[in-house]
Amino acid sequence: GDSVTQMEGPVTLSEEAFLTINCTYTATGYPSLFWYVQYPGEGLQLLLKATKADDKGSNKGFEATYRKETTSFHLEKGSVQVSDSAVYFCALSDHYGGSQGNLIFGKGTKLSVKP
Amino acid sequence: DSGVTQTPKHLITATGQRVTLRCSPRSGDLSVYWYQQSLDQGLQFLIQYYNGEERAKGNILERFSAQQFPDLHSELNLSSLELGDSALYFCASSVEGGYSSYNEQFFGPGTRLTVL
Repeated sequence: GDSVTQMEGPVTLSEEAFLTINCTYTATGYPSLFWYVQYPGEGLQLLLKATKADDKGSNKGFEATYRKETTSFHLEKGSVQVSDSAVYFCALSDHYGGSQGNLIFGKGTKLSVKP
Repeated sequence: DSGVTQTPKHLITATGQRVTLRCSPRSGDLSVYWYQQSLDQGLQFLIQYYNGEERAKGNILERFSAQQFPDLHSELNLSSLELGDSALYFCASSVEGGYSSYNEQFFGPGTRLTVL
């Protein structure tokens, strides 16, 4: 079945460092890919999305490119801030692979940014 | 604020008991999804309703059930509770039911269930 694998954390960075969180997926259909962020004590918020191959999603300085050839959707940010400290989830929604649009999540990567 | 509301925020109960979690979707959204977040299993899809009808089922136990009412709010019922059911339960809503090329879901703040 469909699955998402993301790098395990926790990841600790200094402010203004470069961030990469790796995410790869397995899907039988044509998935849309997402990054969600969960701040402490809160629900999940959509950070960015890409709906087809070679699409680049971006928001708040974060970027991710849908790479079909490597089945990847790595999250990057050029300069992290303390306020970026959160748990990041990679997810897919496979509309033709039987999942009916529900999200399949990776295990999450906890990011801590130190001043 | 996503526009999705969940009540209660916290719930503490004992093994063997039954609880009901409530979710109100964003105005205009017809689809409701339930997810469970636990330390060992991560975030898992439980069940989806679209305009009052069950649309998809995930890893939902037989002890769990859900429904969506005519006003589109949804309830998740958990019975014969076990220690392992302790988790954060999220509700999400979307405009459509998943048969389109893109399906953005908006998440509520969650209900934290503790089974003692």
